[in-house]
Amino acid sequence: DQQVKQNSPSLSVQEGRISILNCDYTNSMFDYFLWYKKYPAEGPTFLISISSIKDKNEDGRFTVFLNKSAKHLSLHIVPSQPGDSAVYFCAGETGANNLFFGTGTRLTVIP
Amino acid sequence: NAGVTQTPKFQVLKTGQSMTLQCAQDMNHNSMYWYRQDPGMGLRLIYYSASEGTTDKGEVPNGYNVSRLNKREFSLRLESAAPSQTSVYFCASSEIRANNEQFFGPGTRLTVL
Repeated sequence: DQQVKQNSPSLSVQEGRISILNCDYTNSMFDYFLWYKKYPAEGPTFLISISSIKDKNEDGRFTVFLNKSAKHLSLHIVPSQPGDSAVYFCAGETGANNLFFGTGTRLTVIP
Repeated sequence: NAGVTQTPKFQVLKTGQSMTLQCAQDMNHNSMYWYRQDPGMGLRLIYYSASEGTTDKGEVPNGYNVSRLNKREFSLRLESAAPSQTSVYFCASSEIRANNEQFFGPGTRLTVL
C-alpha cells in the first residue's frame, strides 16, 4: 500500500514561471516530509523538508506547504529555471529515519 | 570527500547467480540504508543499519541479506538472483536524528535474466 502518492507523473513549466508539485499521504504518523531531486544516472539529493507541526518552510526559490487536515503537501519553485528539470520525490519520515517515497514527478522547465 | 560510493555501477546476472553490492561512505554517518527503485515506483527500503553491528528489515527485505562490515561499509547480497530483483539499487547514509537528510550514492543498475 503506497503511503505517499504523487499523482502527476510529469509537469512542464515555462522558465520564470512557478512550478507546483503535489504530494498526498495516508500515514498520520509521519514526523517530517522531505523533497528530493533526482537527475538521470545519479542518486537523489535532498532539497527541502518540513516538520509535521509546521505548515510552511521556505529556502530560497523553494517553498513547501503542508496541509495536515488534507494530508497534502506541495513544493513551489519560483522562478523555475531550466536546471530545475529533474524528477522530484516526496517522502514521509517515521522514526529511525525511515523514508517512504512517492513515485516521483518529472519536471521539465522549458527555456 | 567522495560521499557515498557504490560498486559496481552496472551488473547483469543469470537467474540463480549470487552477487554482493558494495557501499561505502566517508561522512562518518551512523546510519546506512539500501533502497531499490523500480519503474513507476518510488524508492523502497530493503534493509537499514542504524549503527555499526545492527541491521533491520525495511519494506521489501525478501531475497536479500546485508552486512554492516564496519561504520563505513554496508553491503547487500543476493544469494539466488531472480528476474523480479531487476532494479536500480541505491545506498544511502545519514546521522541518527529526526528530519535528517539521507545522502545517496549514484546507484547500481542490476539486470537479472
